[in-house]
Amino acid sequence: DIQMTQSPSTLSASVGDRVTITCRASETISHWLAWYQLKPGKAPKVLIYQASKLESGVPSRFSGSGSGTEFTLTINSLQPDDFATYFCQQYENYYSFGQGTKLEIK
Amino acid sequence: EVKLVESGGGLVKPGESLRLSCVASEVSFADAWMSWVRQVPGKGLEWVGRIKSASSGGTKDYAAPVKGRFILSRDDSTKTMFLQMNSLKTEDTAVYFCVAGVLTFPLWGQGTLVSVSS
Repeated sequence: DIQMTQSPSTLSASVGDRVTITCRASETISHWLAWYQLKPGKAPKVLIYQASKLESGVPSRFSGSGSGTEFTLTINSLQPDDFATYFCQQYENYYSFGQGTKLEIK
Repeated sequence: EVKLVESGGGLVKPGESLRLSCVASEVSFADAWMSWVRQVPGKGLEWVGRIKSASSGGTKDYAAPVKGRFILSRDDSTKTMFLQMNSLKTEDTAVYFCVAGVLTFPLWGQGTLVSVSS
């Protein structure tokens, strides 16, 4: 099984900040990685797929990078609506998820 | 509105069985690869199993912790997916989400809680 390790588990930031979340795979997954945003009471929303491709309708302040085993999600110029939980998911070999990063208002 | 609605969760004792259902609406269900993903309260997400569309072979795949105990099935005529959970263990306690997608999961249900406790 491919293990996904996400860091940090919690991140405090302010509106306007730039933040980065990291996801590490236990073995190479090429670029088969997605990032999701999760808000209370709502279904998870796909932000990024294939490591760096922006899902339709997702603001351009979200970006993804990486390949192999190291991946990052960057959010530029944080907006109030961005404070949520984010998690990564690999789909190279079935599926597995990172533990999530809670992005909090500082 | 595109929706997935789960049902069938509840409180059971270790060793007992439970059957979850997921009904889809406004979805091309027959073409959809469907999965179950679970989340232990306060913990991360864990993929449970996947059933492919009939056109993709209808293959069923399971995560190691549930293989041999859980059984996936689907009824395309009623747009319903089922998860038969047998020999339940306390560690199966989680919210179970029905999800649709081949690689990523763009569509999620609201989840149904399964509690396994003596």
